Amino acid sequence: QVQLVQSGAEVREPGASVKVSCKASGYTFTGYYIHWVRQAPGQGLEWMGWINPNSGGTNYAQKFQGWVAMTRDTSISTAYMELSRLRSDDTAVFYCARERGGSCYYDSWGQGTLVTVSS
Amino acid sequence: QSALTQPASVSGSPGQSITISCTGTSSDIGGYNYVSWYQQHPGRAPKVLIYDVSNRPSGVSNRFSGSKSGNTASLTISGLQAEDEADYYCSSYTSSNTVVFGGGTKLTVL
Repeated sequence: QVQLVQSGAEVREPGASVKVSCKASGYTFTGYYIHWVRQAPGQGLEWMGWINPNSGGTNYAQKFQGWVAMTRDTSISTAYMELSRLRSDDTAVFYCARERGGSCYYDSWGQGTLVTVSS
Repeated sequence: QSALTQPASVSGSPGQSITISCTGTSSDIGGYNYVSWYQQHPGRAPKVLIYDVSNRPSGVSNRFSGSKSGNTASLTISGLQAEDEADYYCSSYTSSNTVVFGGGTKLTVL
């Protein structure tokens, strides 16, 4: 079955960076886009961007451009999201999600990774 | 890209029907039939209920239905059950080849 398993919770100080991983299994990793979604505590879902695991091409939400980097390692079927220059209001749960090709919806989600930014 | 507009909260009694609206623009909801709806229970990842405006993935109850008119999409839940109490989010593909979510709606089953 399709599974996306994310790395564990992280704590960072303001100004630092964090890299979250999302390991895919149960399907051909290069066949489906991976998106990243942020959810601050008690807040809604916020789309961050996508990566095409086949080509490595990316598209980021304007808000995150210059600040986020999405990469992948096809040899281990893993996508990564790195957020730099963290601030305290970046504390959130980050989800990766698989896009169902052709319909732009997410049919599988990771379990979420809590990133806490605190000094 | 501004978030799609959803009511902050809705409520209904068991057995009733409720509808959640999601308003965007001609650059997202109005321009494409790529509207989807997600249900999220506290502490859990979202789960898709509707895709492509009105399609249900296998395994999703037929109590959930979706529609669209112009720049506004809607999710209707019929025969409300206690387990439906959750947060609901709409999303849409946009003309910038990006995705935008709604602000979310908290459903309370009275």
